[in-house]
Amino acid sequence: DQQVKQNSPSLSVQEGRISILNCDYTNSMFDYFLWYKKYPAEGPTFLISISSIKDKNEDGRFTVFLNKSAKHLSLHIVPSQPGDSAVYFCAAKGYGNKLVFGAGTILRVKS
Amino acid sequence: DTAVSQTPKYLVTQMGNDKSIKCEQNLGHDTMYWYKQDSKKFLKIMFSYNNKELIINETVPNRFSPKSPDKAHLNLHINSLELGDSAVYFCASSLTTGRAVAGANVLTFGAGSRLTVL
Repeated sequence: DQQVKQNSPSLSVQEGRISILNCDYTNSMFDYFLWYKKYPAEGPTFLISISSIKDKNEDGRFTVFLNKSAKHLSLHIVPSQPGDSAVYFCAAKGYGNKLVFGAGTILRVKS
Repeated sequence: DTAVSQTPKYLVTQMGNDKSIKCEQNLGHDTMYWYKQDSKKFLKIMFSYNNKELIINETVPNRFSPKSPDKAHLNLHINSLELGDSAVYFCASSLTTGRAVAGANVLTFGAGSRLTVL
């Protein structure tokens, strides 16, 4: 029973274009959402987050959008850079700071 | 100076053995976690400790025993290792849970410990 789903295993984007990574969740009790980025042989690193009371949060090239009615969030990266190539994990916070992660989406930015 | 460090990074062992993975954080965080990334790449929480007190204990076999000697350390001991225990284990830490403190929801992860059971 996957409460957080990232249905696209991979995404390939041209350098300079927009990357859009999607995430769906099923538990309406989640109150905070995060995106993590992971390079091979490293741990996930925090990228950006959004509270359930907001619908958008922006940080430089990264913007996260939250649609609570659809239980959907997305991460936009613009412009995409080759160094953005990594695995991106969507995570949702439940009880006790417990993060529930999606399976990840591999982003490849081609130069 | 690594914020969350775990050792060893790689561990290869035989079925039936007992092994430990150590984790230390120097961020002054109150809460520490163990996550397991299985072959399907999902990151799943196993345990969470807040100030040395166990607060999250997911459905994990009792062969897995976490130990937190102080709030900066959370070790994971695994008895009678099985093939299915092969995975990457990530340690993480965060500020005190349950409080509306900036950054309280953000976990900082270690680089992972890849366990291979033969």
